[in-house]
Amino acid sequence: DTAVSQTPKYLVTQMGNDKSIKCEQNLGHDTMYWYKQDSKKFLKIMFSYNNKELIINETVPNRFSPKSPDKAHLNLHINSLELGDSAVYFCASSQGGGVQETQYFGPGTRLLVL
Amino acid sequence: GENVEQHPSTLSVQEGDSAVIKCTYSDSASNYFPWYKQELGKRPQLIIDIRSNVGEKKDQRIAVTLNKTAKHFSLHITETQPEDSAVYFCAAPIPSGSQGNLIFGKGTKLSVKP
Repeated sequence: DTAVSQTPKYLVTQMGNDKSIKCEQNLGHDTMYWYKQDSKKFLKIMFSYNNKELIINETVPNRFSPKSPDKAHLNLHINSLELGDSAVYFCASSQGGGVQETQYFGPGTRLLVL
Repeated sequence: GENVEQHPSTLSVQEGDSAVIKCTYSDSASNYFPWYKQELGKRPQLIIDIRSNVGEKKDQRIAVTLNKTAKHFSLHITETQPEDSAVYFCAAPIPSGSQGNLIFGKGTKLSVKP
């Protein structure tokens, strides 16, 4: 009965590779998000998406792209991985798109780029 | 855009003491301020939030206060217990766009010593 799930939990890969992280929520929420948490624990929004609108944090390189096959899924695809991409990536979801909605986070994917 | 400053970055207290974490924000239009708790190796989870129409909100041992004039809000934990040890994040809404994007403070690592 996991609310927000991510796969894989750990991902170790070489520089230059392309990888994807999958996220699924079974809460019936309308909006999903991707966050990056670096080694200093700073938590930064990367994308937010519902079926009407994609909002991209302007600091996110275009090597990162979210893909949503349906309302319950928001996958993160990363091209040409770099060392600095090593971090924990969290998916989250909320009922609506409003700012006062509680966000529910997934367990995180620990990405290590060698 | 919004900027959120959080202090202190680390806080160590004795079990039973109180802990206070403070955040300031820059956008006077912000109207929603959540606090998330992240235990080691786990996902962030909402513990309490406050909307701009109230000055204080309590939930058992935790409380949040908001001073809109000064643009700061604080998390108060009373009678701290070892299980309160975690990283705490404050957040405020990013006003751009129509979705609930949040900007998070840099986190406070709270250690409660038995």
